[in-house]
Parts: sequence; C-alpha cells; structure tokens
Amino acid sequence: SQKIEQNSEALNIQEGKTATLTCNYTNYSPAYLQWYRQDPGRGPVFLLLIRENEKEKRKERLKVTFDTTLKQSLFHITASQPADSATYLCALDDYNQGGKLIFGQGTELSVKP
Amino acid sequence: NAGVTQTPKFQVLKTGQSMTLQCAQDMNHEYMSWYRQDPGMGLRLIHYSVGAGITDQGEVPNGYNVSRSTTEDFPLRLLSAAPSQTSVYFCASSYSSGQGQETQYFGPGTRLLVL
Repeated sequence: SQKIEQNSEALNIQEGKTATLTCNYTNYSPAYLQWYRQDPGRGPVFLLLIRENEKEKRKERLKVTFDTTLKQSLFHITASQPADSATYLCALDDYNQGGKLIFGQGTELSVKP
Repeated sequence: NAGVTQTPKFQVLKTGQSMTLQCAQDMNHEYMSWYRQDPGMGLRLIHYSVGAGITDQGEVPNGYNVSRSTTEDFPLRLLSAAPSQTSVYFCASSYSSGQGQETQYFGPGTRLLVL
C-alpha cells in the first residue's frame, strides 16, 4: 500500500542545535516533495520544494535532502531557535493521480531555550 | 492580496444539519483543494478542482459536495452533518506547472463541531 510517514513522536532539542526531521514514503514516485510549517490554530505555510533530480536545497537556516533510492527526505534546521517550534509537514505529489499532494501526519518540533 | 480566505472560523452543528464552508482566493490560481485535519491523521484531501467547472474526489469525499463556478470560489457543502465530520477544514489554492500542483497556499481553517 502507499504510505508517507514522518516521525510520530515529538522532537525536543536545545536551542542552537540542529533539528533533523524525516519523511519516508513507499509506493510513490514523486516528481517533487514539499515541506510546510504549521503553527497551532493556523494553516500550513510552505517552506521548501525539492525536485526528484535535486539532491539538496537550502534556504537560510533550512536544508532539505531528497533520496529517491531510499525514498526519503530529510529536513534540517540549523542553529535552531525557540521560534522554530511548530509542526512540520512533508507532502509529495502523486503523479498517478494527476499530481495531487499527499501529506504526512507531521512532526512536532519543540526547541527549548 | 488577501490570499486564501475561509468563513466561518468556527461552527457548531447538530447531526443532520447542512451547511456550506466558504473559500475564496485572489491569486488567480487554477487549483483549489479542501482538506480535513484530524489529530494524528495529517491532512486528508476531500475534493479538489483544477479549474472552473472541473472538480474531482480526493481521499475522503463521502458526505461532502463541491462546485467551482468561478476561479476565485470553491465552497464545500456538508449535506447532512455527522459527528465523524467534526474536524478542522482547510482550503488551499495553487498554480499548476507541467508536473501538477506546486506550492499550496492555505487558508486559516474552519473548526467544525458536530453534536
């Protein structure tokens, strides 16, 4: 069956450290993968998109990798801050269903001062 | 630009009542989608539209209807509310590329409680 999975347990880290979140998928062949941030009571906000032919993408303190062999994307926040505390969602396009986006369940990140 | 707007923010319904959740976007996006978000389940696609007059079902369409008469508006109708439809509903819009949907812009959500 098709699945997209993120760490179900919350991730707690100390301020200044690097947070690494994982997104694994099975039985999909995505052309790209996206990462979103969601704060409590708000809608998700787009952060980064990485295509299947890209290994890595960076934006300020954020870095995303995409390994189509392992069927995995890693999302890194370097020099993390308490303001980075939120839930992070990955999403991939389902090419076989007209490019609809399929979301993971999200990982809650808590950065302690 | 207002982006994606949703009304109402909160709604309480009794079982069997019907209602319409409104969604509008002012970015001239072709794609619009409705998701529901439940604890531990992530975002699940209810219905989506690739343009005015064109709609299709997502993962969990039962109990919901949509229509897309204009590019800007994409209302979601609950025909006969059930407690299982208690959830947070998000509308999203996006432009399309040759590979399907790109970045999604989400509205603020509607919290629905069905008693």
